[in-house]
This record gives sequence, structure tokens and C-alpha cells, in this order.
Amino acid sequence: DIQMTQSPSSLSASVGDRVSITCRASQNINNYLNWYQQKPGKVPKLLIYAASSLQTGVPSRFSGSGFGTDFTLTISGLQPEDFATYYCQQSYTTTWTFGQGTTVEIK
Amino acid sequence: EVQLVESGGGLVQPGGSLRLSCAASGFTFSSYSMTWVRQAPGKGLEWVSYISGSSEAINYADSVRGRFTVSRDNAKNSLYLELNSLRAEDTAVYYCAREGSYGSASRGIFDYFDYWGQGSLVTVSS
Repeated sequence: DIQMTQSPSSLSASVGDRVSITCRASQNINNYLNWYQQKPGKVPKLLIYAASSLQTGVPSRFSGSGFGTDFTLTISGLQPEDFATYYCQQSYTTTWTFGQGTTVEIK
Repeated sequence: EVQLVESGGGLVQPGGSLRLSCAASGFTFSSYSMTWVRQAPGKGLEWVSYISGSSEAINYADSVRGRFTVSRDNAKNSLYLELNSLRAEDTAVYYCAREGSYGSASRGIFDYFDYWGQGSLVTVSS
């Protein structure tokens, strides 16, 4: 199976900060990479698919980039509602795998 | 409005069995592949199983293959997950999710989980 590794595991940031989360795949996955947001006690929400395409309704401060094995989720201008855990997921194979998650906490 | 509602979770002893259901509405159920994803308490997301719209393609994570069985009834707009030989490490919230897709055969088809149910808690304990 393809392993997905996120870094950092957690980070502290302030409202208005620019935040970046990295996801690395254990092999080439082209741009078959999705990002999800999960708030405590809530259901995961799709943010970005195909590495850089924004899901309908997701604010434009969220952006994704990358190809091959290295990917980045960037939040430009962190808002109070963005404090959550973020997961990357590869869809290159039909044995989908998620990263371990990155928790964005309030500084 | 797309809705996915899971049911069937509960407390079960190690070695026991359980059947989860996911009732879908608000979309043409038979046109979509569906998946199950689980999340152990305080842990991350783990994909469990996949079933295509007409059930011709099915897949499982290695951790559950041979113990779990996914199925669907398109006439009833329902997805199921049969959990057998349950272990303590199967304790988790189980989510059903719809698989959306984007793209074309020539440029690539990108899959993602665009709608999720609220989850059903399965606790395996004696």
C-alpha cells in the first residue's frame, strides 16, 4: 500500500497567519491527492481534490499544490473556524490511504 | 440534499459480529461508488472498504479483508458492512461516504469522498 506521511503532526498558529502542511507519498501518485478538514466531533469535509482543485463552497484561502510525491496544503490568512485537523489522502489506487493528520491549534 | 445516515453500531464482544447500514438519499444511489472509512477513538482516518455502483468491484483494506463484507441494495438506496470476527482494534466510528469523481478517461479520473454520514460507533469489548 502507498504510505502517506504528513508534517508537522501539529502546529500552533494565530488568526491571520499563513499556514502550510506537507504530505509525502511513498511512491509517485501524480496528482491523485485529496485534502480533508475535520473539526472535533464532526465529520470530515473535502477541501481539495486532484491536488489543487478547490471543492465547491470551500473558501479561496485554502489552496493545494504538488505533484508526484510531495504536496502542500496552504491556508492564507487563518480564520478562527480553520482550527481543525487536516488529512491528506491518495486516490492513485483503490486502496485509499490517509496521512496521519495535522492538527492546527490556536497559539 | 445528499444525506447518508448510518445505523447498526453498538457494543459487541470480541469474536462477535455486527451489521452496519447506511441509508442514502438526495442522489441517484446506483450511479455512485460508496466507501466505508473508520476512525478509532482519538486516531486518524482509515479507509475500510469500497463498492462500485453495480457491485462489480469491491475492495478491502488488509486489516479487515476476510472478516468484513461490503454490499449494497440499490433498490433500497442502502449500503451495508458486515463485521465478523471482531477484535478490540476494530473499535471505531464507522463512516459511510460517497465517492465523487472528476475528469475523463484521457486526462485521468480523480476520486474523492465528497459526502459523509455522521458515523456509527462500534465498540468491541468484553
